Amino acid sequence: EDKVVQSPLSLVVHEGDTVTLNCSYEVTNFRSLLWYKQEKKAPTFLFMLTSSGIEKKSGRLSSILDKKELFSILNITATQTGDSAVYLCAVNAGGTSYGKLTFGQGTILTVHP
Amino acid sequence: EPEVTQTPSHQVTQMGQEVILRCVPISNHLYFYWYRQILGQKVEFLVSFYNNEISEKSEIFDDQFSVERPDGSNFTLKIRSTKLEDSAMYFCASAPVPNYGYTFGSGTRLTVV
Repeated sequence: EDKVVQSPLSLVVHEGDTVTLNCSYEVTNFRSLLWYKQEKKAPTFLFMLTSSGIEKKSGRLSSILDKKELFSILNITATQTGDSAVYLCAVNAGGTSYGKLTFGQGTILTVHP
Repeated sequence: EPEVTQTPSHQVTQMGQEVILRCVPISNHLYFYWYRQILGQKVEFLVSFYNNEISEKSEIFDDQFSVERPDGSNFTLKIRSTKLEDSAMYFCASAPVPNYGYTFGSGTRLTVV
């Protein structure tokens, strides 16, 4: 059974801090790992990672994948209160899958002013 | 930016009743999905749909569930006889190709009483 585990489960920081969120996985036929931000309702797409060691960056957010050690990290620098959300990691495992995602339980990030 | 639209945003139904949750995927997308998230739990895959048929489904997606694309734009999830444990947020998603970071709708919160 495919498994995705995120840590920590929750994190409380102050504005300006840097945070690192972790995601480890055990899946058959890995295709890609995705990060989503979930505020009130729909998860919104942040990054898709397919290759090891290549950092993806968008503003203050960045992410990298290690396919040998089976994990990914999501970094947020200079955090703002608007970064408060649940961050979801999901893995797309291949085989006969038509893009089914297996999600982790999420990391709840709270940024205080 | 194109959106996946779901209606209604919230539905309350009595146990044993049938419900239909509606989704309008992004127009040039070919792969469609339903996920659910029980309060406080992980996002879980229900079903994927491609070329007018189910391509994959989870153990949750039993005979009480069905999906349909009745008119080339809507994508519906039907639950025939709702149970209390069907109470959850149901997300529709669509993608142009299966291994792409697909777009989620804003969800329908289903409450079974």
